[in-house]
Amino acid sequence: KAGVTQTPRYLIKTRGQQVTLSCSPISGHRSVSWYQQTPGQGLQFLFEYFSETQRNKGNFPGRFSGRQFSNSRSEMNVSTLELGDSALYLCASREDQTGSGYTFGSGTRLTVV
Amino acid sequence: AQKITQTQPGMFVQEKEAVTLDCTYDTSDPSYGLFWYKQPSSGEMIFLIYQGSYDQQNATEGRYSLNFQKARKSANLVISASQLGDSAMYFCAMREGQSVSGSRLTFGEGTQLTVNP
Repeated sequence: KAGVTQTPRYLIKTRGQQVTLSCSPISGHRSVSWYQQTPGQGLQFLFEYFSETQRNKGNFPGRFSGRQFSNSRSEMNVSTLELGDSALYLCASREDQTGSGYTFGSGTRLTVV
Repeated sequence: AQKITQTQPGMFVQEKEAVTLDCTYDTSDPSYGLFWYKQPSSGEMIFLIYQGSYDQQNATEGRYSLNFQKARKSANLVISASQLGDSAMYFCAMREGQSVSGSRLTFGEGTQLTVNP
Protein backbone atom coordinates (compact mmCIF):
# COMPACT_ATOMS: atom_id res chain seq x y z
CA LYS A 1 0.00 0.00 0.00
CA ALA A 2 1.48 3.34 -1.00
CA GLY A 3 1.96 5.84 1.80
CA VAL A 4 0.99 9.48 1.98
CA THR A 5 2.53 11.39 -0.91
CA GLN A 6 3.30 15.07 -0.68
CA THR A 7 4.50 17.15 -3.58
CA PRO A 8 6.70 18.97 -4.09
CA ARG A 9 9.31 18.03 -1.50
CA TYR A 10 11.05 21.38 -1.62
CA LEU A 11 9.88 24.78 -2.74
CA ILE A 12 11.40 28.23 -2.78
CA LYS A 13 9.08 31.19 -3.23
CA THR A 14 9.37 34.94 -3.06
CA ARG A 15 7.55 37.05 -0.49
CA GLY A 16 4.15 38.09 -1.82
CA GLN A 17 3.73 35.09 -4.10
CA GLN A 18 1.27 32.30 -3.54
CA VAL A 19 1.91 28.57 -3.31
CA THR A 20 -0.08 25.35 -3.61
CA LEU A 21 0.97 22.14 -1.91
CA SER A 22 -0.47 18.73 -2.70
CA CYS A 23 -1.19 15.67 -0.57
CA SER A 24 -2.37 12.28 -1.78
CA PRO A 25 -3.58 10.14 1.13
CA ILE A 26 -3.30 6.39 1.52
CA SER A 27 -5.76 4.64 -0.75
CA GLY A 28 -9.08 4.33 1.04
CA HIS A 29 -8.35 7.06 3.55
CA ARG A 30 -10.89 9.85 3.43
CA SER A 31 -9.56 12.21 6.09
CA VAL A 32 -6.65 14.53 5.41
CA SER A 33 -5.18 17.03 7.83
CA TRP A 34 -2.38 19.55 7.48
CA TYR A 35 0.23 20.72 9.97
CA GLN A 36 2.86 23.44 9.91
CA GLN A 37 6.19 22.84 11.61
CA THR A 38 8.56 25.70 12.42
CA PRO A 39 11.49 25.91 14.85
CA GLY A 40 9.77 28.65 16.82
CA GLN A 41 6.17 27.43 16.99
CA GLY A 42 6.64 23.69 16.69
CA LEU A 43 3.91 21.61 15.09
CA GLN A 44 0.63 23.40 14.63
CA PHE A 45 -2.65 22.16 13.18
CA LEU A 46 -3.87 23.94 10.07
CA PHE A 47 -7.05 22.14 9.00
CA GLU A 48 -8.72 18.80 8.46
CA TYR A 49 -10.81 17.67 5.52
CA PHE A 50 -13.19 14.75 5.29
CA SER A 51 -15.29 13.90 2.26
CA GLU A 52 -14.42 17.20 0.59
CA THR A 53 -15.56 19.24 3.59
CA GLN A 54 -13.40 21.17 6.02
CA ARG A 55 -14.20 19.72 9.44
CA ASN A 56 -11.78 21.56 11.65
CA LYS A 57 -9.56 24.61 11.36
CA GLY A 58 -6.59 25.80 13.35
CA ASN A 59 -5.71 29.33 14.31
CA PHE A 60 -4.16 30.56 11.08
CA PRO A 61 -4.95 33.65 9.01
CA GLY A 62 -7.24 33.47 6.01
CA ARG A 63 -4.20 33.42 3.70
CA PHE A 64 -4.07 29.72 4.47
CA SER A 65 -6.74 27.71 2.71
CA GLY A 66 -7.29 24.22 1.51
CA ARG A 67 -9.58 21.89 -0.29
CA GLN A 68 -10.19 18.21 -0.82
CA PHE A 69 -11.19 16.53 -4.02
CA SER A 70 -13.56 13.62 -4.60
CA ASN A 71 -10.60 11.21 -4.75
CA SER A 72 -9.56 12.45 -1.27
CA ARG A 73 -6.46 14.22 -2.55
CA SER A 74 -6.00 17.53 -0.82
CA GLU A 75 -4.31 20.79 -1.62
CA MET A 76 -3.41 23.67 0.60
CA ASN A 77 -2.80 27.15 -0.63
CA VAL A 78 -0.97 30.03 0.97
CA SER A 79 -1.45 33.44 -0.60
CA THR A 80 0.66 36.55 -0.17
CA LEU A 81 3.56 34.64 1.29
CA GLU A 82 5.46 36.06 4.24
CA LEU A 83 8.93 35.17 5.44
CA GLY A 84 7.36 33.55 8.52
CA ASP A 85 5.53 31.05 6.34
CA SER A 86 8.82 29.25 5.79
CA ALA A 87 8.21 25.86 7.32
CA LEU A 88 7.83 22.14 6.85
CA TYR A 89 4.22 21.43 5.89
CA LEU A 90 3.08 17.96 6.83
CA CYS A 91 -0.01 16.17 5.67
CA ALA A 92 -1.58 13.25 7.53
CA SER A 93 -4.25 10.85 6.38
CA ARG A 94 -6.50 8.49 8.26
CA GLU A 95 -9.23 6.14 7.26
CA ASP A 96 -12.14 8.15 8.58
CA GLN A 97 -12.99 10.80 11.12
CA THR A 98 -12.73 8.49 14.09
CA GLY A 99 -9.67 6.49 13.18
CA SER A 100 -6.68 6.61 15.45
CA GLY A 101 -4.15 5.89 12.76
CA TYR A 102 -2.69 9.16 11.51
CA THR A 103 -0.10 8.45 8.81
CA PHE A 104 2.09 11.35 7.79
CA GLY A 105 3.79 12.14 4.54
CA SER A 106 7.40 13.26 4.18
CA GLY A 107 6.35 16.90 4.06
CA THR A 108 6.96 19.86 1.81
CA ARG A 109 9.72 22.18 2.92
CA LEU A 110 8.76 25.71 1.90
CA THR A 111 11.30 28.52 1.98
CA VAL A 112 10.11 32.08 1.45
CA VAL A 113 12.82 34.57 0.45
CA ALA B 1 -1.91 26.26 28.85
CA GLN B 2 0.33 23.60 27.38
CA LYS B 3 -1.64 20.49 26.59
CA ILE B 4 1.37 18.32 25.92
CA THR B 5 4.60 18.79 27.80
CA GLN B 6 7.89 17.15 26.99
CA THR B 7 10.40 18.34 29.56
CA GLN B 8 13.51 16.81 28.01
CA PRO B 9 14.80 18.86 25.07
CA GLY B 10 17.65 16.39 24.60
CA MET B 11 18.46 12.90 25.79
CA PHE B 12 21.54 10.72 25.34
CA VAL B 13 21.65 6.94 25.62
CA GLN B 14 24.24 4.27 24.98
CA GLU B 15 23.56 1.77 22.24
CA LYS B 16 21.70 -1.34 23.52
CA GLU B 17 20.47 0.43 26.66
CA ALA B 18 16.87 1.41 27.39
CA VAL B 19 15.69 5.00 27.49
CA THR B 20 12.50 6.69 28.70
CA LEU B 21 11.15 9.83 27.07
CA ASP B 22 8.73 11.78 29.23
CA CYS B 23 5.35 13.17 28.23
CA THR B 24 2.62 14.70 30.35
CA TYR B 25 -0.70 15.90 29.04
CA ASP B 26 -3.66 17.94 30.12
CA THR B 27 -7.24 17.37 29.07
CA SER B 28 -10.70 17.30 30.58
CA ASP B 29 -12.05 15.12 27.79
CA PRO B 30 -12.62 11.52 28.97
CA SER B 31 -12.00 10.22 25.46
CA TYR B 32 -8.58 10.92 24.04
CA GLY B 33 -5.69 9.23 22.34
CA LEU B 34 -1.97 9.56 22.86
CA PHE B 35 0.61 9.06 20.16
CA TRP B 36 4.35 8.95 19.82
CA TYR B 37 6.04 9.86 16.57
CA LYS B 38 9.68 9.75 15.48
CA GLN B 39 11.01 12.40 13.14
CA PRO B 40 14.43 11.80 11.60
CA SER B 41 16.31 14.63 9.95
CA SER B 42 14.54 13.84 6.66
CA GLY B 43 11.38 15.31 8.15
CA GLU B 44 8.91 12.46 7.85
CA MET B 45 6.80 11.78 10.95
CA ILE B 46 6.93 8.06 11.67
CA PHE B 47 4.18 6.59 13.87
CA LEU B 48 5.51 4.52 16.75
CA ILE B 49 2.75 3.73 19.21
CA TYR B 50 -0.79 4.63 20.26
CA GLN B 51 -2.65 4.51 23.58
CA GLY B 52 -6.36 5.15 23.91
CA SER B 53 -7.67 6.66 27.12
CA TYR B 54 -9.91 3.66 27.75
CA ASP B 55 -7.25 1.06 27.02
CA GLN B 56 -6.65 -1.07 30.10
CA GLN B 57 -3.22 -2.28 29.13
CA ASN B 58 -0.12 -0.28 28.25
CA ALA B 59 0.56 -0.30 24.53
CA THR B 60 3.59 -2.10 23.14
CA GLU B 61 5.00 -2.23 19.62
CA GLY B 62 8.22 -4.18 19.28
CA ARG B 63 10.96 -2.29 21.12
CA TYR B 64 8.55 0.53 21.99
CA SER B 65 6.25 0.56 24.97
CA LEU B 66 4.11 3.28 26.43
CA ASN B 67 4.03 3.71 30.19
CA PHE B 68 0.51 5.10 30.59
CA GLN B 69 -0.31 6.50 34.02
CA LYS B 70 -3.77 7.99 33.65
CA ALA B 71 -4.06 9.49 37.12
CA ARG B 72 -0.76 11.30 36.69
CA LYS B 73 -1.63 12.21 33.08
CA SER B 74 1.63 10.87 31.81
CA ALA B 75 2.42 8.78 28.75
CA ASN B 76 6.12 8.06 28.71
CA LEU B 77 7.75 6.25 25.80
CA VAL B 78 10.20 3.50 26.64
CA ILE B 79 12.62 2.37 23.95
CA SER B 80 14.41 -0.85 24.82
CA ALA B 81 17.75 -1.95 23.36
CA SER B 82 18.50 1.39 21.68
CA GLN B 83 19.98 1.35 18.20
CA LEU B 84 21.99 4.00 16.38
CA GLY B 85 19.05 4.41 13.99
CA ASP B 86 16.88 5.53 16.90
CA SER B 87 18.66 8.90 16.93
CA ALA B 88 15.92 11.36 15.97
CA MET B 89 13.40 13.84 17.34
CA TYR B 90 10.52 12.24 19.22
CA PHE B 91 7.12 13.86 19.57
CA CYS B 92 4.29 13.07 21.94
CA ALA B 93 0.85 14.04 20.63
CA MET B 94 -2.74 13.93 21.83
CA ARG B 95 -6.05 13.72 20.03
CA GLU B 96 -9.03 14.82 22.09
CA GLY B 97 -12.48 13.40 21.50
CA GLN B 98 -13.88 11.47 18.58
CA SER B 99 -16.18 14.19 17.35
CA VAL B 100 -17.52 13.89 13.85
CA SER B 101 -16.97 17.61 13.58
CA GLY B 102 -13.29 16.87 13.33
CA SER B 103 -10.34 16.45 15.56
CA ARG B 104 -6.71 17.46 15.66
CA LEU B 105 -3.41 16.33 17.05
CA THR B 106 -1.72 18.57 19.60
CA PHE B 107 2.02 18.03 19.75
CA GLY B 108 4.63 18.53 22.40
CA GLU B 109 7.87 20.36 21.70
CA GLY B 110 9.80 17.18 21.13
CA THR B 111 12.83 15.42 22.59
CA GLN B 112 16.00 15.02 20.54
CA LEU B 113 17.37 11.55 21.25
CA THR B 114 20.98 10.73 20.48
CA VAL B 115 22.17 7.14 20.66
CA ASN B 116 25.91 6.82 21.24
CA PRO B 117 27.90 3.81 20.01
